[in-house]
Amino acid sequence: QKEVEQDPGPLSVPEGAIVSLNCTYSNSAFQYFMWYRQYSRKGPELLMYTYSSGNKEDGRFTAQVDKSSKYISLFIRDSQPSDSATYLCATQGDSSYKLIFGSGTRLLVRP
Amino acid sequence: ETGVTQTPRHLVMGMTNKKSLKCEQHLGHNAMYWYKQSAKKPLELMFVYNFKEQTENNSVPSRFSPECPNSSHLFLHLHTLQPEDSALYLCASSLEESNEKLFFGSGTQLSVL
Repeated sequence: QKEVEQDPGPLSVPEGAIVSLNCTYSNSAFQYFMWYRQYSRKGPELLMYTYSSGNKEDGRFTAQVDKSSKYISLFIRDSQPSDSATYLCATQGDSSYKLIFGSGTRLLVRP
Repeated sequence: ETGVTQTPRHLVMGMTNKKSLKCEQHLGHNAMYWYKQSAKKPLELMFVYNFKEQTENNSVPSRFSPECPNSSHLFLHLHTLQPEDSALYLCASSLEESNEKLFFGSGTQLSVL
């Protein structure tokens, strides 16, 4: 079993739609959760960062962590064509500084 | 611009060639990383340097040889690579080794023929 599982997509939505991107993880010790966004021919950039369970909102983006089900989500409201990218979830445990990444979900927002 | 610059952007090499990838960060960070990104696979951590000292070698074959002369520069020396080594090689930096906020370069797209 992979430590972090993520549907590769692609996920295609019309402009203005609400997007839900999800990951599951296997280790209940993981405490830190991140979403990175990667545009084509670019490196990943940190988009959202949360600690433990709960929600975090930043503009049109909301990151949600449910530790009871080991499920992390990223919601994008009023999606724009410029949101088209690959979204990588990542996690980090207390006992290890190493980040563990999912394989990424490719999102396409159609104008 | 993320402050992490990688050169070259693209590299095609034969299996008998020797080449080097270069990474430079202008962020004043103390930790630098090499990652390998293959299609539809998670990012694979290869090497970690903290204050110029290598702190992680994630079972990487010896045909990949890292070098970190100072906290701002990181190299990955390549020799006798295999076609399966073709991938995007990403350099990243962070303020400290334990910091989860990584800043990535745009990567070197490597093709081994």
